[in-house]
Amino acid sequence: QSVLTQPPSASGTPGQRITISCSGSSSNIGSSYVSWYQQLPGTAPNLLIYKNNQRPSGVPDRFSGSKSGTSASLAISGLRSEDEADYYCATWGDSLSGPVFGGGTKLTVL
Amino acid sequence: QITLKESGPTLVKPTQTLTLTCTCSGFSLSTGGVGLSWIRQTPGKALEWLALIYWDDDRRYSPSLKTRLTITKDTSKNQVVLTMTNMDPVDTATYYCAHSSSLTTGPLPAYWGQGTLVTVSS
Repeated sequence: QSVLTQPPSASGTPGQRITISCSGSSSNIGSSYVSWYQQLPGTAPNLLIYKNNQRPSGVPDRFSGSKSGTSASLAISGLRSEDEADYYCATWGDSLSGPVFGGGTKLTVL
Repeated sequence: QITLKESGPTLVKPTQTLTLTCTCSGFSLSTGGVGLSWIRQTPGKALEWLALIYWDDDRRYSPSLKTRLTITKDTSKNQVVLTMTNMDPVDTATYYCAHSSSLTTGPLPAYWGQGTLVTVSS
């Protein structure tokens, strides 16, 4: 069972805006940055968002992140078929002294 | 650009020791703020952090696996090695190495290697 809680699945139609939630506690999300990763089938996770809401160069501004208290969210606007992937949140676990991850959300573009 | 590549056996027998190497390019393991993690992903797709070594040789381990793990780095080769003892079929997973930099993208993994699938079976 993963430390951070994400919905197992999400879906949307092309052009739609969707959000994926990530819930934690005061000892992880509540006290550290959150990152988001996209994992396309058969590939490694790819960084989408770091430090809660920062995008690496090359990541479209359709992707945005936010954090409030012990929860975080990833929003994807203008949904496209190529966004169909697994999405993971991560943060620092104080008790672990290392990263903790969500269980992943499988996004389907209908 | 930063790239990482994992290498090691694809098949190990139960009770054997696994040794994985991460070969890094595009950065130096001795640069301040740099960390290199090992993370695995089970067939069910859950991600689990295993170990982390920092530029200053500080090392951290997952408490649940600490007794089985050793992480080391060779800055002359820009490589990080993970050993995991007493392998079990439940350790079957894709193993990734990942780079972090507290000075840029923060403490969490940013760049990931392609991963290497390790199967534990007799």
